[in-house]
Amino acid sequence: DAKTTQPPSMDCAEGRAANLPCNHSTISGNEYVYWYRQIHSQGPQYIIHGLKNNETNEMASLIITEDRKSSTLILPHATLRDTAVYYCIVRPIQGAQKLVFGQGTRLTINP
Amino acid sequence: DTAVSQTPKYLVTQMGNDKSIKCEQNLGHDTMYWYKQDSKKFLKIMFSYNNKELIINETVPNRFSPKSPDKAHLNLHINSLELGDSAVYFCASSLTSGGTLSHEQYFGPGTRLTVT
Repeated sequence: DAKTTQPPSMDCAEGRAANLPCNHSTISGNEYVYWYRQIHSQGPQYIIHGLKNNETNEMASLIITEDRKSSTLILPHATLRDTAVYYCIVRPIQGAQKLVFGQGTRLTINP
Repeated sequence: DTAVSQTPKYLVTQMGNDKSIKCEQNLGHDTMYWYKQDSKKFLKIMFSYNNKELIINETVPNRFSPKSPDKAHLNLHINSLELGDSAVYFCASSLTSGGTLSHEQYFGPGTRLTVT
């Protein structure tokens, strides 16, 4: 079962920052937070991951709260191509490599 | 192009038939996966192979049999297809070196299986 909670849907205007929240209140010290997205009819795509520090790459930023019980994925300048289902996943540092997907957040970018 | 590829992209077949889906990755990865996405869009792991060895086998009917002839290929054979097998099947791969956690899994484009 997924160990994360996300809002089922969100809207954002094109060009604005999209902030997607995720609750993972039962996360343990040896688990990372991952974000993937799935654009319609495509395979999931890795976005970013983090353990406890904030992270940024060319796609997005990940803000993890100090207690690690929640995080926010930020798409700084959303475009129409960012419309997708976004999945927040927690996974142990060691052990099975599987990804456990929840329901995700369906993000719609509006022109 | 370097990628994870799957064939076929679409597969329509009748109940009771046996079918196979093929997956190939040219990323040099050593771990491959099969995921199933059902009609409600839930995405669930089925199997994982590391260096041709089965390491993850979720609660999947015995009618599903993965086969990994080499590190670059992971095929999925399904016997006696049922209506409930209709779904999109995604192959994925990652690099796991000596037990080091691989942070990124690369997914294929999916195979949409329809059983009638």
